Amino acid sequence: KQEVTQIPAALSVPEGENLVLNCSFTDSAIYNLQWFRQDPGKGLTSLLLIQSSQREQTSGRLNASLDKSSGRSTLYIAASQPGDSATYLCAVISGGSNYKLTFGKGTLLTVNP
Amino acid sequence: DAGITQSPRHKVTETGTPVTLRCHQTENHRYMYWYRQDPGHGLRLIHYSYGVKDTDKGEVSDGYSVSRSKTEDFLLTLESATSSQTSVYFCAISEREQLETQYFGPGTRLLVL
Repeated sequence: KQEVTQIPAALSVPEGENLVLNCSFTDSAIYNLQWFRQDPGKGLTSLLLIQSSQREQTSGRLNASLDKSSGRSTLYIAASQPGDSATYLCAVISGGSNYKLTFGKGTLLTVNP
Repeated sequence: DAGITQSPRHKVTETGTPVTLRCHQTENHRYMYWYRQDPGHGLRLIHYSYGVKDTDKGEVSDGYSVSRSKTEDFLLTLESATSSQTSVYFCAISEREQLETQYFGPGTRLLVL
């Protein structure tokens, strides 16, 4: 059974810092990995999707990398802003679990002005 | 933003009563999903649909049923609500299968007393 772990569970940084969020998964046979953002009381917003054949994806100040062999992904946020404060969720679709995302429990990020 | 609405957005009900949550999409996407989100568990898949009248169980399907009679609507029914079904319920859609991003609705907060 696929398990997804996110470390740290919470992170507080001053504005302007570059930061890295970590995601690990136990079964490396994945189709893709997605990073989502969730604001308090809101739904999830897709940030980046990395196919299993890709190594990284970039969108603006966000860069996500994927190392399937080691079962790891990182989300790099450059020049953090208070508006980046949210919970960031990692999710994978594994081989044998068609259509089903397995989520981590998220990292709560607070960027202080 | 993907055109996904959920109704109701908030509901309080009593143990033993039936409850139906509705997810409506305007994107004409084939795949639709119901998740629940709970502290300490993250997001877990309840049921999903891969077409009209085509549905399958997810990780936590006991006590829930679904129906999809039209492409745009996916209903989640709690036949006899229990306190353990107090949660936030999210609907999601995707155009194709496991290689595609899932887009999430705003969620329904359900309290079962």
